[in-house]
Amino acid sequence: LAKTTQPISMDSYEGQEVNITCSHNNIATNDYITWYQQFPSQGPRFIIQGYKTKVTNEVASLFIPADRKSSTLSLPRVSLSDTAVYYCLVGGRGGSQGNLIFGKGTKLSVKP
Amino acid sequence: DSGVTQTPKHLITATGQRVTLRCSPRSGDLSVYWYQQSLDQGLQFLIQYYNGEERAKGNILERFSAQQFPDLHSELNLSSLELGDSALYFCASSVDFGTGNYEQYFGPGTRLTVT
Repeated sequence: LAKTTQPISMDSYEGQEVNITCSHNNIATNDYITWYQQFPSQGPRFIIQGYKTKVTNEVASLFIPADRKSSTLSLPRVSLSDTAVYYCLVGGRGGSQGNLIFGKGTKLSVKP
Repeated sequence: DSGVTQTPKHLITATGQRVTLRCSPRSGDLSVYWYQQSLDQGLQFLIQYYNGEERAKGNILERFSAQQFPDLHSELNLSSLELGDSALYFCASSVDFGTGNYEQYFGPGTRLTVT
């Protein structure tokens, strides 16, 4: 059961690149790494998912080193609307996610 | 719009009562998950169903129970309610074909207030 560790909070300014790192030392071979974004009083929204190396979509990039014991979510040129809580989730083994742990996430505050 | 629907949106009830929260997954999704989120807390996984069968259980109290019906909608039953049960309850669904690669789509949540 892979547990994740992320910073509790981060501050940034509009237009900057933000990198949020997640540690998952006991990640299993079949586990994927997934990041979600949550605004107050709304359900989390999928951002990006990866297994190894680098994944990029229109919203973010996900960097995963070879040992997969950590991952970094990169948000390019953040805006005020990116202020939210970001969760790192590890799991997805063969159809049984087991006991899914979202943790408390990283609260990102973007300032003008 | 994630495609996951939850009803009711808000629910206010008294301690000791029982309530039922309903979730309809996205079309084609076989897995349904239930989460609880208290004020300023992270998401606490409660339980997962896959195609009608319980697949995984998290920190779900014995006073809580859930089921997934043949049409794949799910219900979360909360009984003997306590003040501490006041929270946002989210349902999520995923395709989950057992590849180890999944993405959960969350509903808008049900806000439960126990007075």
